[in-house]
Amino acid sequence: AQKVTQAQTEISVVEKEDVTLDCVYETRDTTYYLFWYKQPPSGELVFLIRRNSFDEQNEISGRYSWNFQKSTSSFNFTITASQVVDSAVYFCALVPGGTSYGKLTFGQGTILTVHP
Amino acid sequence: DSGVTQTPKHLITATGQRVTLRCSPRSGDLSVYWYQQSLDQGLQFLIQYYNGEERAKGNILERFSAQQFPDLHSELNLSSLELGDSALYFCASSVSGFYGYTFGSGTRLTVV
Repeated sequence: AQKVTQAQTEISVVEKEDVTLDCVYETRDTTYYLFWYKQPPSGELVFLIRRNSFDEQNEISGRYSWNFQKSTSSFNFTITASQVVDSAVYFCALVPGGTSYGKLTFGQGTILTVHP
Repeated sequence: DSGVTQTPKHLITATGQRVTLRCSPRSGDLSVYWYQQSLDQGLQFLIQYYNGEERAKGNILERFSAQQFPDLHSELNLSSLELGDSALYFCASSVSGFYGYTFGSGTRLTVV
């Protein structure tokens, strides 16, 4: 069975601060895929990134960066110079490999509030 | 617009009633997934269909059922509704889990 843990329930920062959202996962599969989704106050789930278990390269996309460390089963997400529009709930999720039809297992989410 | 269409966006109904939520997947996606998001349970996987066939079941109550039609749209039927069924219900579609999942904007169900 898969498990995703986001230990930080809520984070509050002031605009322009950097913030890191933690994600730790458990799986017995050697092939798996990790995701981050953003859920703004409007409620929709917005895809941010997908990473497969064989690719441990860090990724940067604008102010967003992701650090994948297989050794610690972590897939952390950093927002640099946060903005008010980054306020949302962020979910980390995992799907096992070996099948094309696997279901996503989500963490409990981290509520990020960025104050002006 | 994500390409996944869910209707209705909001639904208010009374306990004991039955409702149907509809999902049209993104063009070309054969898999449809249903998730329930409640305050205390987070995002919970309910059920998955692939090209009309049920592929996986999660924590779906017996009062709930779903199907995927030949045109690939899917419906989630919730019956004998209880107050605790109030939640945001998401549909997602994918070509393959490898490439990610596209979520609809959700149906917010309120049972009163």
